[in-house]
Formats: sequence, structure tokens, C-alpha cells
Amino acid sequence: KAGVTQTPRYLIKTRGQQVTLSCSPISGHRSVSWYQQTPGQGLQFLFEYFSETQRNKGNFPGRFSGRQFSNSRSEMNVSTLELGDSALYLCASSLGTGRADSPLHFGNGTRLTVT
Amino acid sequence: QKEVEQDPGPLSVPEGAIVSLNCTYSNSAFQYFMWYRQYSRKGPELLMYTYSSGNKEDGRFTAQVDKSSKYISLFIRDSQPSDSATYLCAMSETGRRALTFGSGTRLQVQP
Repeated sequence: KAGVTQTPRYLIKTRGQQVTLSCSPISGHRSVSWYQQTPGQGLQFLFEYFSETQRNKGNFPGRFSGRQFSNSRSEMNVSTLELGDSALYLCASSLGTGRADSPLHFGNGTRLTVT
Repeated sequence: QKEVEQDPGPLSVPEGAIVSLNCTYSNSAFQYFMWYRQYSRKGPELLMYTYSSGNKEDGRFTAQVDKSSKYISLFIRDSQPSDSATYLCAMSETGRRALTFGSGTRLQVQP
């Protein structure tokens, strides 16, 4: 079974630009979550989507947004990039919200560098 | 104070040793507890997933949860150089998919 696929693996952007990251979940998984990983803050929850609806949101500014498509694939967007947005962005999928036997499985992430 | 505390290490052990990794937490609503392993330039890989208190064993790995003490542990038996990685504990509340992670412990197993 293919794992969570994230594209692109690496991105370099300039301050003020915007960026879109893509995630394809494991086949059959309907929930997609996004996390930001930095050396200083560790892994922090951004948001979760299930059935094309945002179910949970972390404590990030409105510049961070996402969406989920009917095939469960998800994208996240960061507008007006800041230097502090440089991080590894991780996507994780699971069977669905509320299922006790449904842990998160992560992709290998997109490394975003803002210059 | 962080909701989940984890010693960052690094922890260096000889091959074959038993490794003990731990996390403490403050949120009594946490019900689901996970351990992930992360190699350099890779995403976290799920190792163990437990609900509420108790023990769970899977091969060389044993996870323990003590909710009364708000303390979770991961034991690795017969450690191998391939176990060298960062180990992350993570927790969530019932009905919420959002995970709260520890900062990770870097483990080095010396051949």
C-alpha cells in the first residue's frame, strides 16, 4: 500500500510570496492533517480536514490555509511568506475522525525555505 | 510549561542495550498515546499506538502508559544501530485528531 505522498519535497521562496503544498493520503484514508516542524517549536498542529471540511485548527495565523478535495487529497497554502515560515511541513492521513483504531501516518514532508 | 515534556537527549547506548524513553504530560484529557520514530530527512513513522492506561508490546518495542502519574514510556530491547533516530511521543484527546508532540529524544546506538 502506498504511503502518504507529499509534493514537492523541497521549495525555496522569497518573503512576501505565497506557496501551495500538496498531499495525497493513503488509499482509503479520509482524514488529512497538516503539521509544521521546526527545530525550536517541534511539531505543531496546523489543521485537519475530513470529508472536505476543516474539523480542527491549530494556533496559526490566517495566512495558513488549506483545503481537501473529494478524493481526499489536500493542499495547504501559506500567503505572504515570512522568514519564520521556514520549516518542514508534514501531512498525515488517517481513516477518519473519532475512530479509536485510526492513528496518523505521516508523509516525508515538504521542506520550505523562505529567503 | 509545555503540555508534553520529553528529554531531548542525545541518548547514546551500546548495541544490544535496553533503551527507555519517557514523556510526561499535564493534560488529563489525553487518552490516546503514540510513539513515532523519525529518521533524518524523513517523516515520523508510527511505532506504537495505545489507548488509555496499560502496556502494549510489538516485537522489540513495549509501550507503557500510566495515566495516574501522567507518564508514558517506550522500551526498546536488543537495540540495534538501525534504531538510531529521534523518538517522538504524541498524545490526543478523545474525538480530537490533533496530536500534541513532545520535543523528541535523539537516540544513538553504538555498534
